[in-house]
Amino acid sequence: GIQVEQSPPDLILQEGANSTLRCNFSDSVNNLQWFHQNPWGQLINLFYIPSGTKQNGRLSATTVATERYSLLYISSSQTTDSGVYFCAVRGANNLFFGTGTRLTVIP
Amino acid sequence: NAGVTQTPKFRILKIGQSMTLQCTQDMNHNYMYWYRQDPGMGLKLIYYSVGAGITDKGEVPNGYNVSRSTTEDFPLRLELAAPSQTSVYFCASTAFLGYEQYFGPGTRLTVT
Repeated sequence: GIQVEQSPPDLILQEGANSTLRCNFSDSVNNLQWFHQNPWGQLINLFYIPSGTKQNGRLSATTVATERYSLLYISSSQTTDSGVYFCAVRGANNLFFGTGTRLTVIP
Repeated sequence: NAGVTQTPKFRILKIGQSMTLQCTQDMNHNYMYWYRQDPGMGLKLIYYSVGAGITDKGEVPNGYNVSRSTTEDFPLRLELAAPSQTSVYFCASTAFLGYEQYFGPGTRLTVT
């Protein structure tokens, strides 16, 4: 299957700080999604972004498919941003998930 | 739309017991998936279905079975539960292959 690596594995931020999360993948992909798993375990779709750049409020994402990476930007972080951020890329039939970046935002 | 719903939310099984995890979606999606998430890890695909009557194995199918008799429902069956099946189980669906997947709230299963 496709290998998906995320970095950093853990990140601690002061409220209001900005951050960049990275996702590298080993093969050409047809789509890529970013998810936020909140402290209650719920998976929330953030972006469906096979290529290009998208923005949604304080979050934005960029995927450069030809170079096999995607970036998730979080600006002006809030405590509610805490949780684990996963990227997932689609192979033939399913999504392959990375192991996530655990973000902790402290007030 | 309720989206993707799963029941139960929590369950404790004894080794060797069986159970069925329920998943229902009301978005008329053809594609449905079952994933498991072990502690500190990403999700791994157990089984998937491309439409009613059609199912196939994912990365980690051993110890599980599925059926898809309707578009809406995609139950996951555990036979002879083992401690290695302690995990959080997520069901997901999508309208078309390659489109974004929508996830249910998960079922936390403990086998002791």
